[in-house]
Amino acid sequence: RKEVEQDPGPFNVPEGATVAFNCTYSNSASQSFFWYRQDCRKEPKLLMSVYSSGNEDGRFTAQLNRASQYISLLIRDSKLSDSATYLCVVNPGTGGFKTIFGAGTRLFVKA
Amino acid sequence: GAVVSQHPSWVICKSGTSVKIECRSLDFQATTMFWYRQFPKQSLMLMATSNEGSKATYEQGVEKDKFLINHASLTLSTLTVTSAHPEDSSFYICSAKLGAGVSEAFFGQGTRLTVV
Repeated sequence: RKEVEQDPGPFNVPEGATVAFNCTYSNSASQSFFWYRQDCRKEPKLLMSVYSSGNEDGRFTAQLNRASQYISLLIRDSKLSDSATYLCVVNPGTGGFKTIFGAGTRLFVKA
Repeated sequence: GAVVSQHPSWVICKSGTSVKIECRSLDFQATTMFWYRQFPKQSLMLMATSNEGSKATYEQGVEKDKFLINHASLTLSTLTVTSAHPEDSSFYICSAKLGAGVSEAFFGQGTRLTVV
């Protein structure tokens, strides 16, 4: 089983749609979680951190369920500019620096 | 936020030559940096963890003699792809963190290597 697994995608949605990405992680001791966005041929950039209480940033909402070892990202009112690959990222939190990336989910938002 | 700079952003080299990629933390000291490789339409795959003042830790399947890592200072790590072959053509990205465990990772701009 992979340490971090994501929906394979790609997701093709029209502008204005709501889309949700899911991610599961295998290490129950993992301590911190993030969603990164990666545009084609660019480096990943932090989209938002994920907290147990859930957090929202504009059209983006991230949630964490530690019991189910599950992370989600919800994008409301999709824009063309949201088209990218979304990476689920987990820090094992074993005291080291290692970061585990999911394979990413590709999103295409169409006009 | 913290800045990580990677150089060069792209390079084309002949098969059999070596290529050095630099990763610098510009406004913080990074005792540990990470090197990733990403093939088209695939996720980032961790190649190795670069440790300042000591040997790098390589992931399973990554040849340490082919991908030489040097982390001589708290702000610079280098990755040298030795005797490059076309199958080494990929997007190489470095990252660093401000602290252990829970902090986010900051990425360099990436280096697109093409071996011809």
